[in-house]
Amino acid sequence: AQKVTQAQTEISVVEKEDVTLDCVYETRDTTYYLFWYKQPPSGELVFLIRRNSFDEQNEISGRYSWNFQKSTSSFNFTITASQVVDSAVYFCALSSGGSYIPTFGRGTSLIVHP
Amino acid sequence: NAGVTQTPKFQVLKTGQSMTLQCAQDMNHNSMYWYRQDPGMGLRLIYYSASEGTTDKGEVPNGYNVSRLNKREFSLRLESAAPSQTSVYFCASSELGGGNTEAFFGQGTRLTVV
Repeated sequence: AQKVTQAQTEISVVEKEDVTLDCVYETRDTTYYLFWYKQPPSGELVFLIRRNSFDEQNEISGRYSWNFQKSTSSFNFTITASQVVDSAVYFCALSSGGSYIPTFGRGTSLIVHP
Repeated sequence: NAGVTQTPKFQVLKTGQSMTLQCAQDMNHNSMYWYRQDPGMGLRLIYYSASEGTTDKGEVPNGYNVSRLNKREFSLRLESAAPSQTSVYFCASSELGGGNTEAFFGQGTRLTVV
């Protein structure tokens, strides 16, 4: 069985603050994949990043960065200098177990105030 | 470059009515999925199809049926709609079971059952 926990239901920040969205996963498999998606108010799901279990290297893309730590089963997402356009629901997801069906966390709603 | 196309985008049904949600992808993906999104619950898997000709139940299959018509199309049918099926429905597809590639999502169908 696989499970994703996003303990933060909602986070509210003021523009230009840094914010970290937490993601903790559970799987018994040694090969797995982790994802982050963004769902803006318009409703579509936008893929942000994929990471496989053999690559613990952190990644930075502009204001976005991801910290993957197998020791704590976490794949956290940080937005630096947040902007109002970052306001969205963010989902962490996990694929593992042969069939690799994506399992999603419950999402974290990020509200960035001007 | 359509990606994943879902129809309709909005639908209102009366309790007991039936309807089919249509989904088509043009990325030649093997795997297709139907999820529902409810407030605070994230995305929950209803049914999936790992390849053409196969379908399997997900986490919340009761009240739904699916058909993998061909490699491109995967439809979701509600035989007798209930208010508990009021939700936003997403179709998605991926290569290799969502493992080392991300799932691509349709725009969603907002269904209200009254």
